[in-house]
Amino acid sequence: EPEVTQTPSHQVTQMGQEVILRCVPISNHLYFYWYRQILGQKVEFLVSFYNNEISEKSEIFDDQFSVERPDGSNFTLKIRSTKLEDSAMYFCASRAGLAGPNTGELFFGEGSRLTVL
Amino acid sequence: AQSVTQLGSHVSVSEGALVLLRCNYSSSVPPYLFWYVQYPNQGLQLLLKYTSAATLVKGINGFEAEFKKSETSFHLTKPSAHMSDAAEYFCATSSNTGKLIFGQGTTLQVKP
Repeated sequence: EPEVTQTPSHQVTQMGQEVILRCVPISNHLYFYWYRQILGQKVEFLVSFYNNEISEKSEIFDDQFSVERPDGSNFTLKIRSTKLEDSAMYFCASRAGLAGPNTGELFFGEGSRLTVL
Repeated sequence: AQSVTQLGSHVSVSEGALVLLRCNYSSSVPPYLFWYVQYPNQGLQLLLKYTSAATLVKGINGFEAEFKKSETSFHLTKPSAHMSDAAEYFCATSSNTGKLIFGQGTTLQVKP
């Protein structure tokens, strides 16, 4: 069964360092997402991406964050200068499209745990 | 704007007992509704979804949920809890832009 894969599973970094989290969405999916879950809290939307551009972003997704799909398969989230409060589990998700049997369903990766020291 | 509210951040049941996790939604249009499960140190797995077909939706692992428009609810149930059901459960709704909006989550504890 196709799945979303994320790397690394866990990354520890120093405050102020740049971090890139990588995701390989399901191959025929068109919509891509990043979510964040701070320990013990709800899953929060960060950004959605479609047709090679950001389609929506939350207030959390400030200038320190960026996303790109550099090669048609990977989907990356970059945090330019990490802060302590960026420590969280980051989930990538993908979706096939607006219509069809999987309408609305997002498929999530296992997550990348980021620890900022 | 669409939103979901999960009543009860922590639910504890005995093994074999009924599981009931509550979710209420707020939406101005017929919603898409989902329940996801997160086992410790794992990602989010879809349990079931409502997409305006049958109001009683059956999912994996014996879970089901009933969409009740009059109550704006989409509660998750399972007749008999198993130890392996211990996890975090998230109700979610799909916004008109396609993103999922999650509830606060409910931790299910199953006691032997």
